[in-house]
Amino acid sequence: AQTVTQSQPEMSVQEAETVTLSCTYDTSESDYYLFWYKQPPSRQMILVIRQEAYKQQNATENRFSVNFQKAAKSFSLKISDSQLGDAAMYFCAYRNSYNDMRFGAGTRLTVKP
Amino acid sequence: EPEVTQTPSHQVTQMGQEVILRCVPISNHLYFYWYRQILGQKVEFLVSFYNNEISEKSEIFDDQFSVERPDGSNFTLKIRSTKLEDSAMYFCASTSGTVSSYEQYFGPGTRLTVT
Repeated sequence: AQTVTQSQPEMSVQEAETVTLSCTYDTSESDYYLFWYKQPPSRQMILVIRQEAYKQQNATENRFSVNFQKAAKSFSLKISDSQLGDAAMYFCAYRNSYNDMRFGAGTRLTVKP
Repeated sequence: EPEVTQTPSHQVTQMGQEVILRCVPISNHLYFYWYRQILGQKVEFLVSFYNNEISEKSEIFDDQFSVERPDGSNFTLKIRSTKLEDSAMYFCASTSGTVSSYEQYFGPGTRLTVT
């Protein structure tokens, strides 16, 4: 079974600074996809960034980037130039082909002005 | 941009009552999912649905749950006899199923409160 682990229940960052959220996963598959979702207080699930396992290049989306280490099964999210609107729960998720998504327990990010 | 919609946004029901949560997936999508998130906890997979049948379900999805795609556009989750522990946010998601598509689009969720 695939599992996703987020070891940081809470993180905080100063506005304009950089923060890294950790995620590790366990799988025996070689083809899969990894995601970071943001869940603000409205509780809507918003896709932040995604990474295909077959791609060696780390995904980047504006201020969000990932450090994907396939051998180590690690998928961390870096948020640069943090903004107050980045404050939310962040969930790391794993998905194999068209199967269901497996989520980590989440990291609550606080951004201090 | 097309989006997944869910109704109602908030449902309050009494223990033992039946509830139906409704979702309208993105129109050309073929795979549909329900997830549950108990307050303060992680999002948990309930069930996936493809070609008018359940393709996978979790241990949470017991006999009191059922899903249906009654009319080609709606995708419903029915809870036959609600329990207090069914109180949660329920998310519907869909994906197109093409090789190049792997993102699950989530709806805004339905907050279910069982009293």
